[in-house]
Amino acid sequence: EAGVTQFPSHSVIEKGQTVTLRCDPISGHDNLYWYRRVMGKEIKFLLHFVKESKQDESGMPNNRFLAERTGGTYSTLKVQPAELEDSGVYFCASSAGASPLHFGNGTRLTVT
Amino acid sequence: EDKVVQSPLSLVVHEGDTVTLNCSYEVTNFRSLLWYKQEKKAPTFLFMLTSSGIEKKSGRLSSILDKKELFSILNITATQTGDSAVYLCAVVRGSARQLTFGSGTQLTVLP
Repeated sequence: EAGVTQFPSHSVIEKGQTVTLRCDPISGHDNLYWYRRVMGKEIKFLLHFVKESKQDESGMPNNRFLAERTGGTYSTLKVQPAELEDSGVYFCASSAGASPLHFGNGTRLTVT
Repeated sequence: EDKVVQSPLSLVVHEGDTVTLNCSYEVTNFRSLLWYKQEKKAPTFLFMLTSSGIEKKSGRLSSILDKKELFSILNITATQTGDSAVYLCAVVRGSARQLTFGSGTQLTVLP
């Protein structure tokens, strides 16, 4: 079984630019989550999709972040325009029902 | 505010030692507690605990939950260098089943 895959693994952009992160969940997993770890802090919840619907987006920091999951398969997380404080590791996770979350390797975003 | 606190933040031991990692929590609408091991990349799932007093075991790793005192411990016996990693504790809360993470314990096992 293929795991959760994220692309790219690392992205370096300048402040003000746009970046789009992609997550492919495990096939058949309806639940898809985005989490983020900024330097020195805990991993924090961003949002949760059930299929293509946003179940909970209470963790999204502001309206510069836009997440989509068209068709209920892969998801994208776009940051526009990026700010320095957006730097961190963005994790995607998926699960089926109440099973534990399976995490991807993360995308390390560096905003300079 | 919901919080999950792990201790110690960092631990250095030698191969063969036994370690105990701690996780305490204060969250609303608790559902379960998870332990993950993170080496270089993705956190990998170790245990899910939902009931008090029932030990989960996998090889040299074991974990138990105390829902009255709001904590969990992760034990690793006869540690090996391959156990070196960050161990993350996370609590599942609410109907959305989102996770609240602790800051992790960095375990280093020296040969």
